[in-house]
Amino acid sequence: QKEVEQNSGPLSVPEGAIASLNCTYSDRGSQSFFWYRQYSGKSPELIMFIYSNGDKEDGRFTAQLNKASQYVSLLIRDSQPSDSATYLCAVKGGYNFNKFYFGSGTKLNVKP
Amino acid sequence: DAGVTQSPTHLIKTRGQQVTLRCSPKSGHDTVSWYQQALGQGPQFIFQYYEEEERQRGNFPDRFSGHQFPNYSSELNVNALLLGDSALYLCASSLEWEQFFGPGTRLTVL
Repeated sequence: QKEVEQNSGPLSVPEGAIASLNCTYSDRGSQSFFWYRQYSGKSPELIMFIYSNGDKEDGRFTAQLNKASQYVSLLIRDSQPSDSATYLCAVKGGYNFNKFYFGSGTKLNVKP
Repeated sequence: DAGVTQSPTHLIKTRGQQVTLRCSPKSGHDTVSWYQQALGQGPQFIFQYYEEEERQRGNFPDRFSGHQFPNYSSELNVNALLLGDSALYLCASSLEWEQFFGPGTRLTVL
C-alpha cells in the first residue's frame, strides 16, 4: 500500500467551475499535509498546507482535512486555464517525522 | 532573497558514470532534502541532511550518497549510473515544517 494515494486523472473542468482534488494517506500518525502544484517541466510549488481537521481557505483555494478518514482534499474555485497543472499531495510526520511522502499527482485540465 | 538554487540544470551521462548535483538552500533554511522524480510520478524521497549529517533516508541504494556543508548547501552523488536513474532530481530546503523546492536537475543516462 502506498503511503499517499491520488487519482491520476486527468480531471477536466470548465473555466469558472470548482475543481475538487482528493488524497488519502496510510499513516494515521501523519501531522502535516501539503498541496503542491507542478507545471510540466517545472518543480513543485507549494500552494497550501493544513494540519488541523476542517477547512483552510486561501484565496480561491480551500484545503480540507479529515484525520479520522485519513483524507485530504483541495478545492479550487473559479478555475482558470492557468490552473491546469499536476497537483501533488504530500504528507509529513508520523513514524518518519522528517520525511515527506508524495502522491503521484492528479492532472487537472481547465478548459476555456 | 534567493530561493533554492540547483546546478546544473541539465546533465547527460552514460551508464556506469558518476554524477554530482548541487543545491543551495533558501536563506535561513538549515535542512536539505533530495528527491527523485520519474516522469509521471510524484517525488520520491532520497535523503535529508541537517547539521551536516544524514538524518533520514528513503529506499535508495548506497550508490546514492550526499553531503551537507557548513553553509547548509548540499551535494547529491550517484555512482555507477543506470538507465533507470534518468529523472528530475529535486532539492528542497526547509525550516521546521514548510518545504520549498529548487528548479531541479534533469539527468539523462544513455
